[in-house]
Amino acid sequence: DQQVKQNSPSLSVQEGRISILNCDYTNSMFDYFLWYKKYPAEGPTFLISISSIKDKNEDGRFTVFLNKSAKHLSLHIVPSQPGDSAVYFCAASGGGGADGLTFGKGTHLIIQP
Amino acid sequence: EAGVVQSPRYKIIEKKQPVAFWCNPISGHNTLYWYLQNLGQGPELLIRYENEEAVDDSQLPKDRFSAERLKGVDSTLKIQPAELGDSAVYLCASSLGHSGNTIYFGEGSWLTVV
Repeated sequence: DQQVKQNSPSLSVQEGRISILNCDYTNSMFDYFLWYKKYPAEGPTFLISISSIKDKNEDGRFTVFLNKSAKHLSLHIVPSQPGDSAVYFCAASGGGGADGLTFGKGTHLIIQP
Repeated sequence: EAGVVQSPRYKIIEKKQPVAFWCNPISGHNTLYWYLQNLGQGPELLIRYENEEAVDDSQLPKDRFSAERLKGVDSTLKIQPAELGDSAVYLCASSLGHSGNTIYFGEGSWLTVV
């Protein structure tokens, strides 16, 4: 039973356009959400996070939106750049006292020139 | 500031052999995690330490996996004996505190069992 779902294994976006990566969760006890970026042969690197008390957090080209009623969050990257090509993982914590992070399977973002 | 350091980066062993991975967390981070990442999957928690205490090891296959963090700083994850299905990336991570705090990952130890 996957508690964090990323339903798009891959996404291709043209350079300069907006990239939107989606994530759904099922555990209503999650109260903190994070996005990680992963290049091949490297560990995941933290990108941006959002607490459940907010519905938006912005950091430069990256914005995360949280819709608690729909149990959905999304990561917007604008404008998309070639260096953004990577696997993006959605993660959540706080699920009923279970600490650590629960990850989705990831979305491979490909930025086309 | 140094990040999470893991070694070895790559390891190839024959099945039934033992293997050990080492991790040094970010200085001052009291919480340390070991995650397993299979190909095409997200990381999955194996064990979490608060200082030297293993507070969540429910997902650690205890028949062949063991871990320790004796002095509450660096940690070792061991597999004995290794099986073909253990081929994966073993990620160490650390954070200040736990839930709600950002977790920082090392580059991972890539294990291939042949």
